[in-house]
Amino acid sequence: QKEVEQDPGPLSVPEGAIVSLNCTYSNSAFQYFMWYRQYSRKGPELLMYTYSSGNKEDGRFTAQVDKSSKYISLFIRDSQPSDSATYLCAMSSSGAGSYQLTFGKGTKLSVIP
Amino acid sequence: GAGVSQSPRYKVAKRGQDVALRCDPISGHVSLFWYQQALGQGPEFLTYFQNEAQLDKSGLPSDRFFAERPEGSVSTLKIQRTQQEDSAVYLCASSILEQSSYEQYFGPGTRLTVT
Repeated sequence: QKEVEQDPGPLSVPEGAIVSLNCTYSNSAFQYFMWYRQYSRKGPELLMYTYSSGNKEDGRFTAQVDKSSKYISLFIRDSQPSDSATYLCAMSSSGAGSYQLTFGKGTKLSVIP
Repeated sequence: GAGVSQSPRYKVAKRGQDVALRCDPISGHVSLFWYQQALGQGPEFLTYFQNEAQLDKSGLPSDRFFAERPEGSVSTLKIQRTQQEDSAVYLCASSILEQSSYEQYFGPGTRLTVT
């Protein structure tokens, strides 16, 4: 079992829909949780960063972390065709080696106009 | 402003050849990371530099992989005697922070295909 599990999709939604993406993890040492967006043939781009449990909102994006369930989510409101990309969750621990990101395999999202 | 750049963007190598992949981080960034992203997978950590010091090479898959950053800026990832399982996108990331997972800026990657 991998440390971070993420459904690869693909996920296809109509424009304007609310998108829910999620990851589960097994390593209780993870303290920092990130969501990256990766367009085809590009490098990952940081969208959201959350420390420990709780919610964080940035525009149309909301990140949620539930450490008790080892479950994180990213919600995208009013989805746009430009949101079509692969979304990667990533995590790291605190202390030694905290710079080392562990990624999920990514969920491919298509927003249909 | 200039982001992280990588060259070449695409590389085809015959099995057994040596390759060198270059990363130009954002100016002033002290931390530099290399990741390997296989097709349909998330990036996997390979190695970490803080300035010119390689502090962590725990993710390098074999002793055929070697990375350097001699002057604390440009970094090169070298793969000797390439094998088909080395085919992947190699991503470089840099950060102004030391030893932090936060604000790692990624380059576009080098897509290596070993035939």
